Order: sequence, then C-alpha cells, then structure tokens
Amino acid sequence: EAQVTQNPRYLITVTGKKLTVTCSQNMNHEYMSWYRQDPGLGLRQIYYSMNVEVTDKGDVPEGYKVSRKEKRNFPLILESPSPNQTSLYFCASRSLERGYTFGSGTRLTVV
Amino acid sequence: GQQLNQSPQSMFIQEGEDVSMNCTSSSIFNTWLWYKQDPGEGPVLLIALYKAGELTSNGRLTAQFGITRKDSFLNISASIPSDVGIYFCAGHLVGNQFYFGTGTSLTVIP
Repeated sequence: EAQVTQNPRYLITVTGKKLTVTCSQNMNHEYMSWYRQDPGLGLRQIYYSMNVEVTDKGDVPEGYKVSRKEKRNFPLILESPSPNQTSLYFCASRSLERGYTFGSGTRLTVV
Repeated sequence: GQQLNQSPQSMFIQEGEDVSMNCTSSSIFNTWLWYKQDPGEGPVLLIALYKAGELTSNGRLTAQFGITRKDSFLNISASIPSDVGIYFCAGHLVGNQFYFGTGTSLTVIP
C-alpha cells in the first residue's frame, strides 16, 4: 500500500529538549515536505525537499531543521523546541499527477 | 506562500442535505485537487481534476474544474455523519508550485 509513515503520533516534551519526528514514504517520490497545522491557519509548509540532499525553506522554517540523506526518509528536527511549536505536524510526499500523500500526523505538545 | 480562497469556512448541515464548497484564485491552475481530513488524521485525496470544465465524481462527491481555470467546486450529495471533517482544495500552478485552501470544516447533524 502506498503510504507515508510518520512517528511518533503523539509527543509531549519540555522546552529545549531536542526531538526528531521521522517520516518515510514507499512511493519513490522525489518531492517530500513538512507542514504544520494550527487552528484557523490551515496547512503551512515548514520545509520541503525536491530530491536527495536538496532541501529548502517553506513558509515557516524558523526553529526547524530537516535532512534528506535517502529518497524515502525526511526527518524533521527541532533542536530546541519552544511552546509556540506546539502543533499538528504532517509529512507528505508528492507526485505532480496525484498531488500529496500525507502521513497520519504527529501531535506535538511542548511544555 | 499563496493560499487559495476557500469558502465557506465552516458548515453545519442536517444529515441528508447537499453540500457545496468552492475555491478561487487570482492565478490560473493546471490541476485542482480536493482532500478530506478526518479528525486526528492526515488529509486524503478525494478527487483530482486536470482539465478546464472537467466534472468528476467519486461516489456522492462531485468536483468541477472551473472554465476559467481559476476556481473549482466540490459538491456532496445526501450527506451522512461520516462526511464530517475538513475539506481542502489544492491547486497546481506551473512548475512545482502547489497551493492549499484554508479548509472548509463540515459538521453533519444526525
């Protein structure tokens, strides 16, 4: 089954403690992306990657890092999380024909 | 980044009623996509539209690619409680640019 798998689904952490949210896709898509979703603000793009070793900032990249060492994996790293990064995060991979396939989401709470 | 204008923002309807929502843009799009997001889950693709004027159905859902290529419509007929969720449009501009609407939250009252 074509899918995007992200982990964990839920995460509560404390301010300043580094964390990584993993993302993996099995569709051989070149393009992958991270979004955060907040009430009333829709989906906002954090970072995206056009291919291996190629990453670029989206609309809200501050406080986040990504890496793309392999085609299937695109982890999101928060080096020093802050409460304003409490949000629902989605990883997605994309084809031009079918658009985005989203993961199931990671609900992050930073206290 | 650009956001598409999606309306209405939210809808509260009785079970059995039909639903209409739309997305508009000042730009011409090559592709329109409609997604549904169930509570606590990621958006899932419902319908993809590739040509101006195209009308495509998926069960009780029907979507249209506007003739001007600047808008798209989604209709749900005879709504049921499991239709509840947030519906997003997305448009593909030239190159690699995709843009999302801000979402329509649908509540179906049994």
